[in-house]
Amino acid sequence: GQSLEQPSEVTAVEGAIVQINCTYQTSGFYGLSWYQQHDGGAPTFLSYNALDGLEETGRFSSFLSRSDSYGYLLLQELQMKDSASYFCAVRDRLEFSGGYNKLIFGAGTRLAVHP
Amino acid sequence: GAVVSQHPSRVICKSGTSVKIECRSLDFQATTMFWYRQFPKQSLMLMATSNEGSKATYEQGVEKDKFLINHASLTLSTLTVTSAHPEDSSFYICSASSVGNTEAFFGQGTRLTVV
Repeated sequence: GQSLEQPSEVTAVEGAIVQINCTYQTSGFYGLSWYQQHDGGAPTFLSYNALDGLEETGRFSSFLSRSDSYGYLLLQELQMKDSASYFCAVRDRLEFSGGYNKLIFGAGTRLAVHP
Repeated sequence: GAVVSQHPSRVICKSGTSVKIECRSLDFQATTMFWYRQFPKQSLMLMATSNEGSKATYEQGVEKDKFLINHASLTLSTLTVTSAHPEDSSFYICSASSVGNTEAFFGQGTRLTVV
């Protein structure tokens, strides 16, 4: 079966650093993506890791270890506006079409940032 | 990033009627579009995948006769919820991808309420 595990909730204060972990078990794997979603809004893309290692984009960084089927999203210098749900998603290959990847989402982690 | 427009953002309909949701890629050709459903505080569940000009591929448990998907052009896909019932009330989100993209671009989502 396909499964992604991530914590359901995380709480932190402004200025702090938070790490959201994601472990996965999927039949196909072509990379791990992270998305942010505010209540009532659409997911917005944050980062993508296809290879092992750390990817840094401003205050957000993402890490992948394919051998451990594990990744994490690191959020630094937290701001109130970072309060949202964060989803990890695995890129899986479509059965009938080559090269077009679909996403399998984790359950999401609700991050609450407090003053 | 690329822009995907989804319409309407909110719709209320009576039980037994049908509702059509449009998903448009505004500045790129979307060879593949995905339709997701999301219940409050839950993950995005993939309903179906459609490639332009071919029949959609539905995920297990999704009724293809109830959720009609049409991907008639490289910039437009539609989801029609037929004979809607209150249990179909949910947040429906589309995303679009094209060849070579490592990122899926999401529409704003449609909040469907069936009364």
